[in-house]
Amino acid sequence: DTEVTQTPKHLVMGMTNKKSLKCEQHMGHRAMYWYKQKAKKPPELMFVYSYEKLSINESVPSRFSPECPNSSLLNLHLHALQPEDSALYLCASRQRLAGGEQYFGPGTRLTVT
Amino acid sequence: QQPVQSPQAVILREGEDAVINCSSSKALYSVHWYRQKHGEAPVFLMILLKGGEQKGHEKISASFNEKKQQSSLYLTASQLSYSGTYFCGTANTGNQFYFGTGTSLTVIP
Repeated sequence: DTEVTQTPKHLVMGMTNKKSLKCEQHMGHRAMYWYKQKAKKPPELMFVYSYEKLSINESVPSRFSPECPNSSLLNLHLHALQPEDSALYLCASRQRLAGGEQYFGPGTRLTVT
Repeated sequence: QQPVQSPQAVILREGEDAVINCSSSKALYSVHWYRQKHGEAPVFLMILLKGGEQKGHEKISASFNEKKQQSSLYLTASQLSYSGTYFCGTANTGNQFYFGTGTSLTVIP
C-alpha cells in the first residue's frame, strides 16, 4: 500500500471555527510533512515530524497546530484562521530521513470565510 | 532557500523536447523532481543523489551537478500527458525539503 490519505477533501470554515485535517499512511514511513500550497505557487513546507516528534516548524503561526498521535497518523488543528489561510494543504510521508522520495496525499482544499 | 527554476513557462508541440533547469544557492544533498497537474498532488518523477549523476525514466531524464548546485530535467519527444507544472525540490541531510519556483509546461497537439 503506497497510499497517503487525507480527510476531508474540502473544508469551508469561518474565522472563529476550530477544525482538524487528518493524514494517514501505512507504509511504515517515519517522516511526515505538512505543506501549504496557494494557487500557481509551489508547496511551502510548514511542519515535519520525524519518529512522531516535531523536528521542523517553518515559523508557522500558532493558529496552526500539528499533532502526530502515532507513526501512521498526522493531524493539523486549525483555529481562528484568516481568509489568507485558504489554500490546498498537502500531507506527505517519506521513508528515509534524507534522500528518499515523498509520497503525497491528495490534499485538503481549505476555504476560510 | 527556495531553488529557482527556469524557464517559468514553456509551450511545446507534441514530439518536441524541453529542458527545465533548477538552481540553488545552498549546497545540496539531493534533488527531486515532481510533476503536478491542476488540482492534483505532486507526483514523484525521480531523485538524484550524487554530483553529475544522470537518471532516466523512459523519455524523461535528469542530471545533477553538485558542484554547481544545479539540476536539469530533460523531456524528450513530449506527449500531451507531460503537461503540468514541474517542480524541483532540494533536501539537505535532515528533514527539510524545499520546492523550486516551478515551471509550467503545456504540450499542444
